[in-house]
Amino acid sequence: EVQLLESGGGLVQPGGSLRVSCAASGFTFKTFAMSWVRQVPGKGLEWVSTISSSGDSTFYADAVKGRFTISRDNSKNTLFLQMDSLRGEDTAVYYCAKRPPVGNFYFDYWGQGTLVTVSS
Amino acid sequence: QSALTQPASVSGSPGQSITISCTGTNNDVGGFNCVSWYQQHPGKAPKLMIFDVSDRPSGVSDRFSGSKSGNTASLTISGLQAEDEADYYCSSCTSSSSPYVFGIGTKVTVL
Repeated sequence: EVQLLESGGGLVQPGGSLRVSCAASGFTFKTFAMSWVRQVPGKGLEWVSTISSSGDSTFYADAVKGRFTISRDNSKNTLFLQMDSLRGEDTAVYYCAKRPPVGNFYFDYWGQGTLVTVSS
Repeated sequence: QSALTQPASVSGSPGQSITISCTGTNNDVGGFNCVSWYQQHPGKAPKLMIFDVSDRPSGVSDRFSGSKSGNTASLTISGLQAEDEADYYCSSCTSSSSPYVFGIGTKVTVL
């Protein structure tokens, strides 16, 4: 059974940093691209970032480019999102999501999410 | 990249069929066959219901079906059940700087 478990969310001040993690199990983590998608409470979904299976390629939404860094540790089946220079508009639930094999543009499994609140 | 347009809410009685629309542009919905649909119950993670416009993942009820015409994709729920009450989001790949765009979401209410 595929499981994705996010952690690391919390309250951070504007301008601060936070790293969230996603522990994966139930599939061969190193063979799939992974993504982060966020959701402002009560609002819609927004794609944030994607990393290739090897970690060699990364992609970011314009809203977070230059501030967020996606990475992965395939030896530990873990995905990360380092968030720097945080702003109030970054407040959201952050979901990690698994991509199916290369060439497919959807997310077949999602974690339960971790809430990041940016406030003074 | 603007969000895809969905109706804010759709409702129906048990047993009825409802359809949720998802309108984009030639740069996303109309230009590619990569529309997907997600169901989200309150406080829960999104769940994939339809991918590649009309394919269903294993385990998803065949009461859910997808289609596309031009720049508008649709999700139809047949034989509406109480458990179908949730928010539904469409998504598409795009030719813009962001590879994915989501719809604004539709709240489905079972009367």
